[in-house]
Amino acid sequence: AQSVSQHNHHVILSEAASLELGCNYSYGGTVNLFWYVQYPGQHLQLLLKYFSGDPLVKGIKGFEAEFIKSKFSFNLRKPSVQWSDTAEYFCAARSNDYKLSFGAGTTVTVRA
Amino acid sequence: DVKVTQSSRYLVKRTGEKVFLECVQDMDHENMFWYRQDPGLGLRLIYFSYDVKMKEKGDIPEGYSVSREKKERFSLILESASTNQTSMYLCASTSLVWGPVDTQYFGPGTRLTVL
Repeated sequence: AQSVSQHNHHVILSEAASLELGCNYSYGGTVNLFWYVQYPGQHLQLLLKYFSGDPLVKGIKGFEAEFIKSKFSFNLRKPSVQWSDTAEYFCAARSNDYKLSFGAGTTVTVRA
Repeated sequence: DVKVTQSSRYLVKRTGEKVFLECVQDMDHENMFWYRQDPGLGLRLIYFSYDVKMKEKGDIPEGYSVSREKKERFSLILESASTNQTSMYLCASTSLVWGPVDTQYFGPGTRLTVL
């Protein structure tokens, strides 16, 4: 099974600042990668996913992530955050079965 | 839209009680999962099922069991609840199709407190 690590536990930034959340996974073979977001009081929902092809993946709400195979990384980015991006963000990875391995999560607080 | 529902949003039980958490999905998905979510630990897989009456252990199955008698329903059972099982429990489902359409859909979660 995959092991996933997220670099930051809590990130605090102001509106319009740029956001980058780090994610590294452990397995070097075929891997599927995901970012999920959990807004306060809401379901966990998918932001974006990578299966194959273009390593730069665009998701909902202006988020994107870049898969760098040589670095075992899948970092999430957003050029300009809004107050509504305040949430917990989870990176997840899957190898050759249906089981997802999740990172510990990063809480993002955006100050107005 | 896929809908995954869980029987309770909040549940308070006493140590030693048998606890049932129910999950129902309406998209005819083959795979269903139970996770627990704890601060600083992310989501950890307890059990999953890829078909009716089939189940496999996840990363932290101790103290839990599951039941899948119908395709749409997946139950998590705490045989004898303990305080260290106080947590948020999330159910998820996904289809058997492997590829870009394969996304796990999550329920709203059940916050269980064991006193």
